[in-house]
Amino acid sequence: AQKVTQAQTEISVVEKEDVTLDCVYETRDTTYYLFWYKQPPSGELVFLIRRNSFDEQNEISGRYSWNFQKSTSSFNFTITASQVVDSAVYFCALRPLIQGAQKLVFGQGTRLTINP
Amino acid sequence: GAGVSQSPRYKVAKRGQDVALRCDPISGHVSLFWYQQALGQGPEFLTYFQNEAQLDKSGLPSDRFFAERPEGSVSTLKIQRTQQEDSAVYLCASSLRQKGGDREDGYTFGSGTRLTVV
Repeated sequence: AQKVTQAQTEISVVEKEDVTLDCVYETRDTTYYLFWYKQPPSGELVFLIRRNSFDEQNEISGRYSWNFQKSTSSFNFTITASQVVDSAVYFCALRPLIQGAQKLVFGQGTRLTINP
Repeated sequence: GAGVSQSPRYKVAKRGQDVALRCDPISGHVSLFWYQQALGQGPEFLTYFQNEAQLDKSGLPSDRFFAERPEGSVSTLKIQRTQQEDSAVYLCASSLRQKGGDREDGYTFGSGTRLTVV
């Protein structure tokens, strides 16, 4: 069975603060993908990043960075110098890396509010 | 089109009514997915198509739910005899899956159809 847990239901910070969104996952698969998506009020899920389970290098993209630690089954997401436009619901997701396994398993999401 | 298009954007149905939700994926995308997102929850997988073949329907909650993609492009999710627990946002996603491998450049989601059953 696979499970993704985002323990933080809501986070509210003031603009320019750094904020980290936590993601912990459970899977019996040895290889898998991990994802982060952003869901703005318009409703669509915007793809942010995909990581392979065998690549534990951390990644930075502008103000966004991701910390993947296989030992603790965590894939945390940090926004540096947050901006009001970062306000959204963020989802972490998991998918096995085996042929035919296509469905994403999502966490419950973290609602992030950046206040001016 | 440039993105995944879903219609209608909003649907209000009386309990017991049948509804049909449409998804237009990105042109050329082989894979198509339907997810159900209840209020305040993450999306949950319903079903998956590769071209016109429905390869996984393990997430469909009951036999009242039916999905099709007859020509491998547009897909329709049909819910018969709607119940209040069917109220949710129904998200469609498509993905370009390279032939012969598992290269994917990520799923592209539509904005969803918000279904309210009254």
